[in-house]
Amino acid sequence: DAGVTQSPTHLIKTRGQQVTLRCSPKSGHDTVSWYQQALGQGPQFIFQYYEEEERQRGNFPDRFSGHQFPNYSSELNVNALLLGDSALYLCASSLSAGANVLTFGAGSRLTVL
Amino acid sequence: GEDVEQSLFLSVREGDSSVINCTYTDSSSTYLYWYKQEPGAGLQLLTYIFSNMDMKQDQRLTVLLNKKDKHLSLRIADTQTGDSAIYFCAERGDSWGKFQFGAGTQVVVTP
Repeated sequence: DAGVTQSPTHLIKTRGQQVTLRCSPKSGHDTVSWYQQALGQGPQFIFQYYEEEERQRGNFPDRFSGHQFPNYSSELNVNALLLGDSALYLCASSLSAGANVLTFGAGSRLTVL
Repeated sequence: GEDVEQSLFLSVREGDSSVINCTYTDSSSTYLYWYKQEPGAGLQLLTYIFSNMDMKQDQRLTVLLNKKDKHLSLRIADTQTGDSAIYFCAERGDSWGKFQFGAGTQVVVTP
């Protein structure tokens, strides 16, 4: 049973570019949340998608946007990249929007030069 | 606002017990969690406790919750070298889906 899968695992971009990260939730899960983990810090909540809509959002600018598809997979888009966007981006899935357990993927490591 | 704090580093000898501490500020926390992160990997859920419980034991892991003091601890019995990792405390309050994480405690197990 595949867990949460994310792609790509690593990528390098330059300032001002745009990036798209992808996530497939664990089988049976319908809710996807995205977290940003800067080096040496804990994950910070970006947003959560359920039923193809953004349900909750953390303290992140509009440059961060997302999408959820009918098969529950999700994308995270970041526009106008800044050096400070360099981080590990973690996708987590759960059984529902109110579920009390998150299952995390291995993350996508973004480096902005 | 919500805040979760942890000590940054813990060194322990193989075979000893480890205790990792965490404090949180959100009085509406419903669930509290311990996650483990190994180098280059995502977060692995170790255990979690509902806020109306004081203690939960799961094999080598014991979680203690003092809700009055907003203090959570994780005890690992018979610590092994494979337990070397970063451990994150997290809480979920009223907002579904939003987990608030601490900065993590790096645990180093020495032979």
